[in-house]
Amino acid sequence: DQQVKQNSPSLSVQEGRISILNCDYTNSMFDYFLWYKKYPAEGPTFLISISSIKDKNEDGRFTVFLNKSAKHLSLHIVPSQPGDSAVYFCAASEGGSWGKFQFGAGTQVVVTP
Amino acid sequence: NAGVTQTPKFRVLKTGQSMTLLCAQDMNHEYMYWYRQDPGMGLRLIHYSVGEGTTAKGEVPDGYNVSRLKKQNFLLGLESAAPSQTSVYFCASSYTTRGEQFFGPGTRLTVL
Repeated sequence: DQQVKQNSPSLSVQEGRISILNCDYTNSMFDYFLWYKKYPAEGPTFLISISSIKDKNEDGRFTVFLNKSAKHLSLHIVPSQPGDSAVYFCAASEGGSWGKFQFGAGTQVVVTP
Repeated sequence: NAGVTQTPKFRVLKTGQSMTLLCAQDMNHEYMYWYRQDPGMGLRLIHYSVGEGTTAKGEVPDGYNVSRLKKQNFLLGLESAAPSQTSVYFCASSYTTRGEQFFGPGTRLTVL
């Protein structure tokens, strides 16, 4: 049973606009969340994280928002650039789980000129 | 500084054959992980290790074995490959259990 879901398999956005990626989870014990970015034929690379004691974390063009009551997090990319075209995974873990993360299925983002 | 490397990059096996995938990291990380990625499924944890000489089962361990004889290496073995093990395999390592994981480039395995 998938505990982390990314319900949008793909997203197309124009260059310069905002990309919003969504992620829902079912396990209320999850308290740490990460976003990874993956290009074809490469491994995922870390993008940004957020712990459950915060509701927002920002790093340059990337902002992650966490709504614990709704068990929902989102990643905002502003402004979107062609190099942002990739698959984005959200991942969640609970304390004491030895680094075991549950990953969503990913969202393919395509940024068009 | 190579980060996380995986050998081989591609492999085709026949049902019943065995093979070992090698993962190596040069960041002195304690924690190492093996995942498989299948279409529409995201990454699923096969086995993981919290230090040299230790291994533990993840979410989908059946049909796989692992060993961590040296801190920098984490081996994933398939004793008798099955078509259901056709997948892309990623190795990862991390410094802490709560931090980012560093991933290798992946091994694409096809079992006929």
